[in-house]
Amino acid sequence: DAGITQSPRYKITETGRQVTLMCHQTWSHSYMFWYRQDLGHGLRLIYYSAAADITDKGEVPDGYVVSRSKTENFPLTLESATRSQTSVYFCASSDPLQGVNTEAFFGQGTRLTVV
Amino acid sequence: GNSVTQMEGPVTLSEEAFLTINCTYTATGYPSLFWYVQYPGEGLQLLLKATKADDKGSNKGFEATYRKETTSFHLEKGSVQVSDSAVYFCALIFTGKLIFGQGTTLQVKP
Repeated sequence: DAGITQSPRYKITETGRQVTLMCHQTWSHSYMFWYRQDLGHGLRLIYYSAAADITDKGEVPDGYVVSRSKTENFPLTLESATRSQTSVYFCASSDPLQGVNTEAFFGQGTRLTVV
Repeated sequence: GNSVTQMEGPVTLSEEAFLTINCTYTATGYPSLFWYVQYPGEGLQLLLKATKADDKGSNKGFEATYRKETTSFHLEKGSVQVSDSAVYFCALIFTGKLIFGQGTTLQVKP
């Protein structure tokens, strides 16, 4: 399917476990983003990537790791999950060929619960 | 740094009422501005955008004008419907980095 897809949609994990959230886009957009959405905080940027092998920290990067070996994939790893990382995670992509300040397109989100 | 501030919600309106959701921004350069909408249980969808000062974005009866002098991008709609109930996010993008406001929940009652 064309577009941007996240997996899994729902995940429950235990404190201290490593968990990886997947994001895949079919447009070959060079920019990709990870956000977390929490009540009262809106969407906060965790990491973003301007191209394969180029990543940069956002507002709340602590406790997260990203990689971008291929343009279409941008996985987010929680190395040792904590309860404070319980959240809804959104992946997004944008195409700077349309202008570096063009809009981003979002996945459906992953609801992660850390128990 | 760059940031976006939205009016706090929730906002509750009756059907056919006039809607305004305030949004102001702080930016070091000349960002593009967006309004995104999130319906219950879904991801974010672009509602409208403006890329330079005095641009007006519009879609589905919603409008917002990029006001550089007041650093604002307020969302308006003349007559809301129950189907407009959602969370609305103001956002800016500059040098590829997309930053959101806190979101405003709108509930429209019949």
